[in-house]
Amino acid sequence: DVKVTQSSRYLVKRTGEKVFLECVQDMDHENMFWYRQDPGLGLRLIYFSYDVKMKEKGDIPEGYSVSREKKERFSLILESASTNQTSMYLCASSSPGRNEQFFGPGTRLTVL
Amino acid sequence: GENVEQHPSTLSVQEGDSAVIKCTYSDSASNYFPWYKQELGKRPQLIIDIRSNVGEKKDQRIAVTLNKTAKHFSLHITETQPEDSAVYFCAASLTEYGNKLVFGAGTILRVKS
Repeated sequence: DVKVTQSSRYLVKRTGEKVFLECVQDMDHENMFWYRQDPGLGLRLIYFSYDVKMKEKGDIPEGYSVSREKKERFSLILESASTNQTSMYLCASSSPGRNEQFFGPGTRLTVL
Repeated sequence: GENVEQHPSTLSVQEGDSAVIKCTYSDSASNYFPWYKQELGKRPQLIIDIRSNVGEKKDQRIAVTLNKTAKHFSLHITETQPEDSAVYFCAASLTEYGNKLVFGAGTILRVKS
């Protein structure tokens, strides 16, 4: 059974803190993605990775960075959290041979 | 880059009626168009997709149509049921760049029983 997990379902941080969101998939997928979901804006791509140690900017990378040291794990980093980064963060993975993306349960991040 | 617009933002239908959600895209090179369904508190899941070499695809009560000339595609749900209530997202992709998807803003579908 396909499984994508995220380290936290809910997270509350203070402005200026460094925040790590982790995503793990057990499907041996090469592709991994980080999105943020905001009402009325849909899912917007922050960063994606096609392979270990490889990363590419998505549509809204400002204020974020990522790390992919192992194939199964893709981390999203907020170097200095700000209130406008309060959002739902969704991780996803996919295989190059198939377009379907499998999503994690999401992390609702609140920055105070 | 690609831009996807989705309408309507909310849609209420009576149980048993049909529902139609429409999306337009800007990049004529896009060739893969999936639809994801997200139930309340759940993760998005793929429900149907279509590639640019096909005009229509059907899976039981759901169907997707694609008009490449007009650069729009639509999701059709027939005989709606309460469990169809969810947020639906359309997306477009240039598959040669892997699976990078650009999503629409989403449609909240409410099926009233």
